[in-house]
Amino acid sequence: QSVLTQPPSVSGAPGQRVTISCTGNNSNIGAGYDVKWYQQVPGAAPKLLIHNNTNRPSGVPDRFSGSKSGTSASLAITGLLAEDEADYHCQSYDSSLSGFVFGSGTKVTVL
Amino acid sequence: EVQLVESGGGSVQTGRSLRVSCAASGFSFEDYAMYWVRQAPGKGLEWVSGISWSRRVLGYADSVKGRFTISRDNAKNSLYLQMSSLRTEDTALYYCARDIRRAGLTGTLDIWGQGTMVTVSS
Repeated sequence: QSVLTQPPSVSGAPGQRVTISCTGNNSNIGAGYDVKWYQQVPGAAPKLLIHNNTNRPSGVPDRFSGSKSGTSASLAITGLLAEDEADYHCQSYDSSLSGFVFGSGTKVTVL
Repeated sequence: EVQLVESGGGSVQTGRSLRVSCAASGFSFEDYAMYWVRQAPGKGLEWVSGISWSRRVLGYADSVKGRFTISRDNAKNSLYLQMSSLRTEDTALYYCARDIRRAGLTGTLDIWGQGTMVTVSS
């Protein structure tokens, strides 16, 4: 069982906005550790999407945005495209485990 | 081109050992912390271990503590994961990944390899 909880799946029509939640506790997200998000297309390695809660690496479209509040974080995808169909993973650090932790992963389906 | 290439995966019986490697190219390997992350078939990502540029081990996941050992050889631009007392639940695709920040320990993984598959069976 993952320390960070994500919904198994979310879906949306092309052009719509979807959000993915990542819920932790006071040992990880709530303790102030930053959240990262990765996109993983089937059969490929993960790709960094968001770091430091809200920062996009160069090359990542501004349709992707991250936020954090309390013990949770969220990834929003606006203007959904067919190419956004993938698995999305959140990540943070956990002080009680003394290591980095990932969420359970969320599959985004474009209807 | 910045690249990470894993190797050494394969099929092994429970209780045996295996070492997987990661060859880095296209960047100053000695300046970056490196990590191992694994993904069991159909499952999410699991952080396994990390090591700083100066070879300080950053820790291990509880699931592998005492059985796995991370190391690096900066002269060979290589990262290693020695796995012993393997269990069926260690079956996964093992990725190596680079920290985004030179001389940093952010845990943000900006470069990933394609992974090497380790299958453990009884």
